[in-house]
Amino acid sequence: QQQVKQSPQSLIVQKGGISIINCAYENTAFDYFPWYQQFPGKGPALLIAIRPDVSEKKEGRFTISFNKSAKQFSLHIMDSQPGDSATYFCAARKSGTASKLTFGTGTRLQVTL
Amino acid sequence: DAGVIQSPRHEVTEMGQEVTLRCKPISGHDYLFWYRQTMMRGLELLIYFNNNVPIDDSGMPEDRFSAKMPNASFSTLKIQPSEPRDSAVYFCASSPRTGQALHFGNGTRLTVT
Repeated sequence: QQQVKQSPQSLIVQKGGISIINCAYENTAFDYFPWYQQFPGKGPALLIAIRPDVSEKKEGRFTISFNKSAKQFSLHIMDSQPGDSATYFCAARKSGTASKLTFGTGTRLQVTL
Repeated sequence: DAGVIQSPRHEVTEMGQEVTLRCKPISGHDYLFWYRQTMMRGLELLIYFNNNVPIDDSGMPEDRFSAKMPNASFSTLKIQPSEPRDSAVYFCASSPRTGQALHFGNGTRLTVT
């Protein structure tokens, strides 16, 4: 049972373009939605996170858009750079479950020159 | 800050052998998590500890898997006997307290032949 559905599985974007990765969830008990970035041979690292009381959060070139009614959230990478090439995971956490995260299946992003 | 340290980085073993993966969390972190990553299933939470006590082991796939945390600075994940389907990258992560970001190690790539 996949509680967090992520798409697309892979994405190729030209340098300077916008990368968009989408996630959807079913469980309304989720109250924290982080995005993690993973480079080959490394563990995932927190990139940006949002709580459902706001619709958007921006940190530099990275923005999370959150639609509570649709139970969807997305990561936008503006002015994508080759150094952004990595696998991105969305995740969600139920309230009252410490830091126990349920991850999406990941999106492999390649930014070309 | 040395981050979460996992050992070994790579482990190749034969089916039926015992495998022990090790993790040293970040000092001062109260939570420790073991995740497994495969292409088919993505990142799966196996078990997590709070202050060295196992809180949720519902993700441990079978009795062949066991995890311990004898003190705040060390945890092990043991597979006995190992099977080829256990081949995956196993990540350890720690978190300072509820709601804080997970800090992942660089993982142990396990291959069971």
